[in-house]
Amino acid sequence: GQQLNQSPQSMFIQEGEDVSMNCTSSSIFNTWLWYKQEPGEGPVLLIALYKAGELTSNGRLTAQFGITRKDSFLNISASIPSDVGIYFCAGQDAGGTSYGKLTFGQGTILTVHP
Amino acid sequence: DTGVSQNPRHKITKRGQNVTFRCDPISEHNRLYWYRQTLGQGPEFLTYFQNEAQLEKSRLLSDRFSAERPKGSFSTLEIQRTEQGDSAMYLCATPLEGSTDTQYFGPGTRLTVL
Repeated sequence: GQQLNQSPQSMFIQEGEDVSMNCTSSSIFNTWLWYKQEPGEGPVLLIALYKAGELTSNGRLTAQFGITRKDSFLNISASIPSDVGIYFCAGQDAGGTSYGKLTFGQGTILTVHP
Repeated sequence: DTGVSQNPRHKITKRGQNVTFRCDPISEHNRLYWYRQTLGQGPEFLTYFQNEAQLEKSRLLSDRFSAERPKGSFSTLEIQRTEQGDSAMYLCATPLEGSTDTQYFGPGTRLTVL
C-alpha cells in the first residue's frame, strides 16, 4: 500500500540534543499528524496540523504543515531518554468515501543515550 | 488514555483457524477505522465505518476478512482460515466525540499465526 516517505529511518542521539525528522508525499493532504509508538502499544497522537503553513508546538515538540501540503516536519528539542520510540507521520484524506483515512510513513526509530 | 480498548491484546493461533478481534471506543463517534501494522512498517488502512455502514475496504482486506459494527458503537474484525501472512498488529482508531476527525488509536491486537 501507499506510504509516505519519512526520514531518517533511525536516529541515535545523546540526551539533550535536538532531533528533526520529516515526511514527504506525492499527494496533497488536508491534515498532517505525528504519532509516537512504543513496543506493543498503539500509536499515540503527538501533534495534529490542519492548515498549510501551520506551525504548532506541544511542549518540546514542534511540527509544521508544509505550504505545498505535501510535506511536514517534526522537531524535538532537548531530548530525554523517555523520547525513545518510533515516530510516525500520517497524512489524512478528506472527501468522498475515504474521508479521514490515514496514510502513514515508515517511521523514524529514535534512540536516546543518557 | 484514548478510551479505545481492544481485545484480546494478544492472540496466537494455528494456521487455518478463525480469529475475531473487538474494538470498543468510549466515545460514540460515527466513524471507526481498522488498520494493520506489520513489523517495521507504519499502519496501513484496512476499512472504515460510518455508523453501522462499512463505506470503504482496502485491497488488503481479502475475502477471508470481515468487519462489522452492528450498533454503530463497538466493532469486530474476523479473519477466517488464517495464514502466516496475517501475523500483524491490528489497530482500531476513532475520533473523540465532538472533535475533528483526528484519530486516536487503541492499544492494538497482536496476532501471531503459527
